[in-house]
Amino acid sequence: NAGVTQTPKFRILKIGQSMTLQCTQDMNHNYMYWYRQDPGMGLKLIYYSVGAGITDKGEVPNGYNVSRSTTEDFPLRLELAAPSQTSVYFCASSSYGTSGALYNEQFFGPGTRLTVL
Amino acid sequence: QKEVEQDPGPLSVPEGAIVSLNCTYSNSAFQYFMWYRQYSRKGPELLMYTYSSGNKEDGRFTAQVDKSSKYISLFIRDSQPSDSATYLCAMKETSYDKVIFGPGTSLSVIP
Repeated sequence: NAGVTQTPKFRILKIGQSMTLQCTQDMNHNYMYWYRQDPGMGLKLIYYSVGAGITDKGEVPNGYNVSRSTTEDFPLRLELAAPSQTSVYFCASSSYGTSGALYNEQFFGPGTRLTVL
Repeated sequence: QKEVEQDPGPLSVPEGAIVSLNCTYSNSAFQYFMWYRQYSRKGPELLMYTYSSGNKEDGRFTAQVDKSSKYISLFIRDSQPSDSATYLCAMKETSYDKVIFGPGTSLSVIP
């Protein structure tokens, strides 16, 4: 299993450009998440999805959009990129609902480093 | 007041030392407590989790939760250079809930 994969690894955008960060998991997890990580700020949840066709906002959704058409894929779309979106973006997935499980571990991808100039 | 606070470090210790990493939190409803380890330029990976108060041990790692003080700790015994990473505490109210992460503590173990 590859786990959670993210592309691209690095990207530089100009202000106002748009792009899509790709995330794919091969663990058949129903939950998927997008976080951003800024220095000294920890991980902030942008959007999450509890299954195909269902998404919801996290703590910092402004400037981003997501879709979840399949269990495996959860792309994050940046429209009109701004310098404030310079960050490291992590996708994660978890399998909620496993019988008897009190906790569902989140598995993270390697991240996408985005710079907006 | 931030919901979860952590000393960012950096913390530098000699190999073999005992390391203590700590987090404080303000939400008394948190019940699930986790520690993630994040190597440089990698995604976080779950190291340990505990439910409610008490201690949990896994090899050289011990996680402690004191809900009365809203304080959690991670102890690393016989620290190794391979333990050099950023350690993120994380917590949530129920199994269904979103996870709240601390900002992380950077640890360097010097050979």
